[in-house]
Amino acid sequence: AQSVAQPEDQVNVAEGNPLTVKCTYSVSGNPYLFWYVQYPNRGLQFLLKYITGDNLVKGSYGFEAEFNKSQTSFHLKKPSALVSDSALYFCAVAIYGGATNKLIFGTGTLLAVQP
Amino acid sequence: DAGVIQSPRHEVTEMGQEVTLRCKPISGHNSLFWYRQTMMRGLELLIYFNNNVPIDDSGMPEDRFSAKMPNASFSTLKIQPSEPRDSAVYFCASSGLRVYEQYFGPGTRLTVT
Repeated sequence: AQSVAQPEDQVNVAEGNPLTVKCTYSVSGNPYLFWYVQYPNRGLQFLLKYITGDNLVKGSYGFEAEFNKSQTSFHLKKPSALVSDSALYFCAVAIYGGATNKLIFGTGTLLAVQP
Repeated sequence: DAGVIQSPRHEVTEMGQEVTLRCKPISGHNSLFWYRQTMMRGLELLIYFNNNVPIDDSGMPEDRFSAKMPNASFSTLKIQPSEPRDSAVYFCASSGLRVYEQYFGPGTRLTVT
């Protein structure tokens, strides 16, 4: 079955430092992978996606993610963290085929950026 | 566009009562998703519609839950009767041609006492 795992419940980083939020996936076939962000008391917002092509994907708010097929990973990264990046981050994989097209979300990682 | 609209934003009800949550997707989007978020279970997909037709309802927890989409601009999620374990934040999301780019509403926080 298609699934993603986020091994860290929380990541703490100081403002200005680089950040990484980890995600590994398990899929049959080629993966479609996504990152979403949830700010407090808000719905999820799309950040970026990997469908095919360049392994380094750039998204909103200066975030990027690196697709690594050999390690089955899709880690979210940002060179310099901001306090405003503090939020809950979800990795997701798409299940597709026939009439079924949906996302399976990971458990989420809370990113806390300290000033 | 106003984005995905959900109502009410907060609902407090007593066990056994019927609860109806409402969603208006983004105009032109043809897929609509209902999710439930709790601390214990995280984000769960309950059901999704494509062109107003329910495609996958395998996430609907039990018969007390039902969802409808009578037209392209409106959907409801109903719980009857409600139970305390239904307390959660319920999100509606919609997507267009790029099916995997889902736009989430602000959610309805449901508390069943």
